[in-house]
Amino acid sequence: SQQGEEDPQALSIQEGENATMNCSYKTSINNLQWYRQNSGRGLVHLILIRSNEREKHSGRLRVTLDTSKKSSSLLITASRAADTASYFCATLEAGNMLTFGGGTRLMVKP
Amino acid sequence: DTGVSQNPRHKITKRGQNVTFRCDPISEHNRLYWYRQTLGQGPEFLTYFQNEAQLEKSRLLSDRFSAERPKGSFSTLEIQRTEQGDSAMYLCASSLGTGFYGYTFGSGTRLTVV
Repeated sequence: SQQGEEDPQALSIQEGENATMNCSYKTSINNLQWYRQNSGRGLVHLILIRSNEREKHSGRLRVTLDTSKKSSSLLITASRAADTASYFCATLEAGNMLTFGGGTRLMVKP
Repeated sequence: DTGVSQNPRHKITKRGQNVTFRCDPISEHNRLYWYRQTLGQGPEFLTYFQNEAQLEKSRLLSDRFSAERPKGSFSTLEIQRTEQGDSAMYLCASSLGTGFYGYTFGSGTRLTVV
C-alpha cells in the first residue's frame, strides 16, 4: 500500500515557470523525502525534511512540511526542460522502510 | 564505489519460467531494500535486509518470490513460475542505518513476462 498521495498527478509548464507538487500522508513520520525519477531509470534522492522542520531549501528546490495537516509541498523554481521527470514523496516512519506516493509527472516545455 | 548496481537491466521471460535478479549495494550500507514499480505508479515495498538478516516482507511478496543476502553484501531476488502480473520494474536500494538520510537506488531491472 502507498502512504502518500501526490497532487497533481501530472503537470505541464513552460521553461522558466515554477512547478509546485503536493503530497499528503497518513501516519506520523520521522522525515519526508522527495525523489526524482527519469523515465525508465532509478530514483534519485533530492531533499529531505525532518518532522520538526517546516521549510528547507536546496538550490532551486524548496520543500515545506505541515505535520498538523500531514502534507508537504515541493517547489521547483525557474524550471528547465531537464527537470522533466516524475517526482515522488516518500515518508519514513520510525524504524520502518520508506513508503512512496504515486508521483507527479512533470513536463517542462522548452 | 559506483553506487547501487542492478543486473540485468532488462529481462524478458516466458510465463512459468524462473528469473533471478541481482543487486550490489553501496559497500558501506548495511540495509538493502527491494521495491516493485508498475507503470505510472510509485515504488511498492517488497522486502529489506539488515546485513544478512531479512527483517521484513510485504504481503506483495508471495511464496513465489524469495530474496537472499547471503553474506550481507549483494542480494538476489528470485521469482518462480512467473506470471504476466509480475511484469514490472524491480528496484533495489541501500542505506546506511535506517535510511534516515535517504536511500540510494539502482537503475532497476525491467521484467517483461510474455
